[in-house]
Amino acid sequence: SQKIEQNSEALNIQEGKTATLTCNYTNYSPAYLQWYRQDPGRGPVFLLLIRENEKEKRKERLKVTFDTTLKQSLFHITASQPADSATYLCALANDYKLSFGAGTTVTVRA
Amino acid sequence: NAGVTQTPKFQVLKTGQSMTLQCAQDMNHNSMYWYRQDPGMGLRLIYYSASEGTTDKGEVPNGYNVSRLNKREFSLRLESAAPSQTSVYFCASSEERQGASTDTQYFGPGTRLTVL
Repeated sequence: SQKIEQNSEALNIQEGKTATLTCNYTNYSPAYLQWYRQDPGRGPVFLLLIRENEKEKRKERLKVTFDTTLKQSLFHITASQPADSATYLCALANDYKLSFGAGTTVTVRA
Repeated sequence: NAGVTQTPKFQVLKTGQSMTLQCAQDMNHNSMYWYRQDPGMGLRLIYYSASEGTTDKGEVPNGYNVSRLNKREFSLRLESAAPSQTSVYFCASSEERQGASTDTQYFGPGTRLTVL
């Protein structure tokens, strides 16, 4: 069966450090993978999209990698700030729809 | 631009009651979606509408119906609410340009529904 797994544990990190989140998938062949941010009580907001033929994508302090052989994406927040505290969702493009992981909650301590 | 709006923000129903969740977008997007989000689970697709006039079932359609009223509006109806439908419901839209696999989705603020 198809499955998308993100870090099962919440991530607590010190301000200034790098947070690394994982997204592993099975029985998908996504053309795209997307990352969204969700704050408590709000809807998800799009952050980054990476295509299957791209190894890495960057946007400001965010970096995403996509390894179709390992069936894994890594999401990095560098020089983290308390404002980065949120839940981060990965989503796979699957037959013109998106399938979402359960998310990883990141808390950045000042 | 308001983006994607949803009404109501909160709702409490008794088992067996019916209600309609409303969603509208002002971005001229072709596709619209309804998801539910439960603790510890990812967003699960209930129904989607690839374009005006079409609707299709997603992963968890049982107990729900939808209407794509026009290009802007996509409603979700619970005909006979059950406690298992207690959840947070999100509407989303995307442009879905022809030839694109999947565009980014824009989400509304959500409706928090409790069924007693």
